[in-house]
Amino acid sequence: DTAVSQTPKYLVTQMGNDKSIKCEQNLGHDTMYWYKQDSKKFLKIMFSYNNKELIINETVPNRFSPKSPDKAHLNLHINSLELGDSAVYFCASSQEVGVRNTEAFFGQGTRLTVV
Amino acid sequence: AQKVTQAQTEISVVEKEDVTLDCVYETRDTTYYLFWYKQPPSGELVFLIRRNSFDEQNEISGRYSWNFQKSTSSFNFTITASQVVDSAVYFCALLSSGTYKYIFGTGTRLKVLA
Repeated sequence: DTAVSQTPKYLVTQMGNDKSIKCEQNLGHDTMYWYKQDSKKFLKIMFSYNNKELIINETVPNRFSPKSPDKAHLNLHINSLELGDSAVYFCASSQEVGVRNTEAFFGQGTRLTVV
Repeated sequence: AQKVTQAQTEISVVEKEDVTLDCVYETRDTTYYLFWYKQPPSGELVFLIRRNSFDEQNEISGRYSWNFQKSTSSFNFTITASQVVDSAVYFCALLSSGTYKYIFGTGTRLKVLA
């Protein structure tokens, strides 16, 4: 059973399009995240959700809108895609911060290519 | 401010050599957590270990060992008798209690040559 799964794994799209990436976790975690990994492998937080509430929005353009319908899902919708959005996007989940086992588990990543 | 520094961008070793990956962190919080993740060429991020700030015991797991020293704000990772399958990018990360973001270092690419 995959703990954190995100779809699709690859996404190639044209500039200006709107696209979504879905993420689901079956670990019973309260907190979910979106991270962006650029071509130099830098991993940067985009959003954190705790119990479906947005906790962190790390100066991400408004074109990116996360949605958490329930604690097990955190989707990412991107409007008006730009070339600079090309990256690998990782979804992750963890237990509530402060609980002993706070490691984050990551999905396999979605490689987004904007052409 | 919270920060993680992995000064080694890339390391190449020959199989069976030991190698240490360095990680230095900065945080003003007294309660925090440190992690190592492995990203093999296939791209997924694999959790390796977590250390809590109040637990400075070092840990060994097979060929892997971790040295946590609060006095020098370091959390170094040693692979003994490296193997080709250890080739990957390794990330050190910091989570401060009360925050909801893992701060990652820039990663160290390890190449183990046969």
